[in-house]
Amino acid sequence: DAKTTQPPSMDCAEGRAANLPCNHSTISGNEYVYWYRQIHSQGPQYIIHGLKNNETNEMASLIITEDRKSSTLILPHATLRDTAVYYCIVRVAAYQGAQKLVFGQGTRLTINP
Amino acid sequence: DTGVSQDPRHKITKRGQNVTFRCDPISEHNRLYWYRQTLGQGPEFLTYFQNEAQLEKSRLLSDRFSAERPKGSFSTLEIQRTEQGDSAMYLCASSLAAGSYEQYFGPGTRLTVT
Repeated sequence: DAKTTQPPSMDCAEGRAANLPCNHSTISGNEYVYWYRQIHSQGPQYIIHGLKNNETNEMASLIITEDRKSSTLILPHATLRDTAVYYCIVRVAAYQGAQKLVFGQGTRLTINP
Repeated sequence: DTGVSQDPRHKITKRGQNVTFRCDPISEHNRLYWYRQTLGQGPEFLTYFQNEAQLEKSRLLSDRFSAERPKGSFSTLEIQRTEQGDSAMYLCASSLAAGSYEQYFGPGTRLTVT
């Protein structure tokens, strides 16, 4: 799987949008961008994934650049419960063979009151 | 609560003892994964099953580790002759084999080897 680069930590004020960047300059055409987060002492939680179009769900939005070399996860109105480590993962679709998730160090996001 | 449960949540054992962890996946999920996470690091893949077949094992899974999923439902991960380096959080996840394939993780079992 392609490697990703994320800032080790970020801060955001409660109620503001949190924008978490991820670089994946070696991404292949058939690789998806997945985001998971891990709240302290819990297992990782799936947030969103996308291939090339922007995606939105009830948790977040995912913006992928046109060249697909980077992406941004947006939490539109961050709350204290969004404090977590956020992982950006690049992988092929599971039906194409890759099953495991390869986690990097992630970004530790702290939401401040 | 994702619907994936793990037991026990915490285990303290002495070096050299054997330990076994259990994972119960979401009932309709036919894929089950084990990961290990040490302090300050992201989870690392250990192995995965599709139904009862173990289809991939990481080189991290030494011969002291064995995983089973005998009836394609729950899974067990056994560590024999534990070492201090085995201290970690052991995470289980499950997914469907079709659709969007996202993995749902359990709360983990924290192992401390003294």
